[in-house]
Amino acid sequence: NAGVMQNPRHLVRRRGQEARLRCSPMKGHSHVYWYRQLPEEGLKFMVYLQKENIIDESGMPKERFSAEFPKEGPSILRIQQVVRGDSAAYFCASSPRQLGETQYFGPGTRLLVL
Amino acid sequence: KQEVTQIPAALSVPEGENLVLNCSFTDSAIYNLQWFRQDPGKGLTSLLLIQSSQREQTSGRLNASLDKSSGRSTLYIAASQPGDSATYLCAVPYNNNDMRFGAGTRLTVKP
Repeated sequence: NAGVMQNPRHLVRRRGQEARLRCSPMKGHSHVYWYRQLPEEGLKFMVYLQKENIIDESGMPKERFSAEFPKEGPSILRIQQVVRGDSAAYFCASSPRQLGETQYFGPGTRLLVL
Repeated sequence: KQEVTQIPAALSVPEGENLVLNCSFTDSAIYNLQWFRQDPGKGLTSLLLIQSSQREQTSGRLNASLDKSSGRSTLYIAASQPGDSATYLCAVPYNNNDMRFGAGTRLTVKP
């Protein structure tokens, strides 16, 4: 049973470009969480999704950021018109049901905006 | 609002020492607390999960304790090894949807 997979592992973008980060949850997991880790800071919750539904996006910036978890395929975190402040590690986690059990984390995508 | 604090922010010890990492949280109404390990440039590895009804969990040389009433947890590492060098994060569930993380303790174990 493969763990949570994220790709790409590293992503370099210039200011104004779009960044797409992908997350494939563990098999059998229908709950996906995205977190952001800024340099020298802890992880901060961004968004919680179930298949085809955004459950809680209270941690996600209102502009330029969006997330989806379609019926088929991975969850996508999309950042439009990236700025240097978006440079961070973005982690995805999955769980088989709502919080109460451990979340399993992917290796992260490190985004660098030049 | 739940806030998680970890002290110290960084710790350097010689190999073989026993050490304690501290985690505190402001809202004691939690139903579990989790300790993770993060290696530089890598993801998170879950070390121990303590349910609110438990007072401690052990895994090998690691022992985590939980005192909900005082809003504290400790991670005890026995006989530290250079391979234990990493950042250790504690996290508690919040609002049923996300986890709140501390900023971590960066541990260096010198050979």
